Amino acid sequence: DSGVTQTPKHLITATGQRVTLRCSPRSGDLSVYWYQQSLDQGLQFLIQYYNGEERAKGNILERFSAQQFPDLHSELNLSSLELGDSALYFCASSVALAGTDTQYFGPGTRLTVL
Amino acid sequence: AQKVTQAQTEISVVEKEDVTLDCVYETRDTTYYLFWYKQPPSGELVFLIRRNSFDEQNEISGRYSWNFQKSTSSFNFTITASQVVDSAVYFCALSEAQTGGFKTIFGAGTRLFVKA
Repeated sequence: DSGVTQTPKHLITATGQRVTLRCSPRSGDLSVYWYQQSLDQGLQFLIQYYNGEERAKGNILERFSAQQFPDLHSELNLSSLELGDSALYFCASSVALAGTDTQYFGPGTRLTVL
Repeated sequence: AQKVTQAQTEISVVEKEDVTLDCVYETRDTTYYLFWYKQPPSGELVFLIRRNSFDEQNEISGRYSWNFQKSTSSFNFTITASQVVDSAVYFCALSEAQTGGFKTIFGAGTRLFVKA
């Protein structure tokens, strides 16, 4: 158990809908990262937050947005969902901002778009 | 631009064999960080090791060892005396600074099958 929690574990929805994925980092970790893992794209970095502020951005679609709240939990919002958004979405956390920090991954949320 | 290449898609070995997973990376930065993660069939991602670009010291940890060579931009991972429980997908990753934060790129992964 990494100490990172993600809810829900599974999510099934329809195209065009909007969903919110939630992540609680390990106690004391200030950085939160979001990743998408799909069969065709592999593991892709989406976005990083540190202490409430966006710090790095990867291949995140404009239909996706994220935020980190004062209690450090984070939410990833996916809107206008398409079939291709079906994937496993991981959240990770680390203590600080340094590249040397180990990222601890949550169990993931499996999103299925029908 | 960053790139991580894991040329081996799948490797199959018999228990107790040694196996090396290859990782080649591309980066323009002089400061960067390399990682290996394991994803067992249960799906979670487990951190194995990290190295920064200034630390080329290779390491052995139990049955695991890592060979980092900046000259060839490689960061290979070896499992000695493999066990069935080592069956998993192994990902190599490269992390570089991006203004204010760090962006991590993962390789496509190498699926390791260890047969009894």
